[in-house]
Amino acid sequence: AQTVTQSQPEMSVQEAETVTLSCTYDTSESDYYLFWYKQPPSRQMILVIRQEAYKQQNATENRFSVNFQKAAKSFSLKISDSQLGDAAMYFCAYRSPPGTASKLTFGTGTRLQVTL
Amino acid sequence: NAGVTQTPKFQVLKTGQSMTLQCAQDMNHEYMSWYRQDPGMGLRLIHYSVGAGITDQGEVPNGYNVSRSTTEDFPLRLLSAAPSQTSVYFCASSYSPQGSLHFGNGTRLTVT
Repeated sequence: AQTVTQSQPEMSVQEAETVTLSCTYDTSESDYYLFWYKQPPSRQMILVIRQEAYKQQNATENRFSVNFQKAAKSFSLKISDSQLGDAAMYFCAYRSPPGTASKLTFGTGTRLQVTL
Repeated sequence: NAGVTQTPKFQVLKTGQSMTLQCAQDMNHEYMSWYRQDPGMGLRLIHYSVGAGITDQGEVPNGYNVSRSTTEDFPLRLLSAAPSQTSVYFCASSYSPQGSLHFGNGTRLTVT
């Protein structure tokens, strides 16, 4: 079974600075999908960024980018120019490839605090 | 543009009571799923469906039933609530099994 590990339960960053959240996963598959979701205090789950494993180029969405290292099974999220609104729980997730049941497996989350 | 709608937002049950958490989506998504979120454990898959009439178990299915009679609706039934089912429940859908999930706003369930 696939597992997703987020080893940082909590992180803190100053406003306007850059922070990197770590995520590693375990899989024997070669084709899969990786996601980062944000959960603010409102409890809503918001998709931040998505990466297809067959793409070598790292995904980027405005201030959010990933460092996808397929051989190392690592998928870290970098938030640049941090804003107060970035404070939230961040979940890394793995989704198995086409043709399978394609369940989404989540890590346990990293709580990000943004300070002035 | 409603997306994924979950009802109710909050619910308190006594042990042994039954209830149904409702989930509806208006995006014509084939894939729907239910997760529970517990502190320190992330989100865990309860049941999922890849289309109307098709359901399967996830990681933590015990104590829960689902059905998928239409593409739009995917209710989650608790037949006999237990305190261990106290959690926040999320319904999510995607156009395909590999697509990005769209989440509802969650239901906070407390079983006393």
